Amino acid sequence: SQKIEQNSEALNIQEGKTATLTCNYTNYSPAYLQWYRQDPGRGPVFLLLIRENEKEKRKERLKVTFDTTLKQSLFHITASQPADSATYLCALESTNTGNQFYFGTGTSLTVIP
Amino acid sequence: DAGVIQSPRHEVTEMGQEVTLRCKPISGHDYLFWYRQTMMRGLELLIYFNNNVPIDDSGMPEDRFSAKMPNASFSTLKIQPSEPRDSAVYFCASSFARFPYEQYFGPGTRLTVT
Repeated sequence: SQKIEQNSEALNIQEGKTATLTCNYTNYSPAYLQWYRQDPGRGPVFLLLIRENEKEKRKERLKVTFDTTLKQSLFHITASQPADSATYLCALESTNTGNQFYFGTGTSLTVIP
Repeated sequence: DAGVIQSPRHEVTEMGQEVTLRCKPISGHDYLFWYRQTMMRGLELLIYFNNNVPIDDSGMPEDRFSAKMPNASFSTLKIQPSEPRDSAVYFCASSFARFPYEQYFGPGTRLTVT
């Protein structure tokens, strides 16, 4: 079956450290992958897009990698801050059966001061 | 622009009642998406429109769910009759173009069906 799985448990890290979140997918062949941030009581906010021909993408303190062989994307937040605490979602478009857009299960990140 | 606007923000209704959720997309965006978010199933795409025309409704769970977009600035998601398992947060999002262009999400409507 098709799945998009993110870190199964919440992630707690110390301020200033690098947070690394994973997104693993099975039975998809996405041309790209997106990352969103969601704060409690709010809708997701788009952060980054990475395409299958891009190994790495950066935006300020954020870095995303995309390994189509491993079927995995890694999302890094360097020099993490308490304000980075949120749930992070990966998302992809499946072309296997029609063109549906799927979100991962999300990872809750808490940055401890 | 005020962003995507959804109303109501909270809705509590009894099983069997009709529920209508409303969305105003960002002006100039040609795509509108309806999502449902629950703890069990996460964020699921229900249906999306392009230029007011439904493109893919394969995510709509049952015939009790229907969505319309009568014009470029308004869309509704209707549940009739509602059931307790429909309790969720419903998000509307809009986009300048289809995937992979970024989607702008509204604040959501928290629906509780008792």
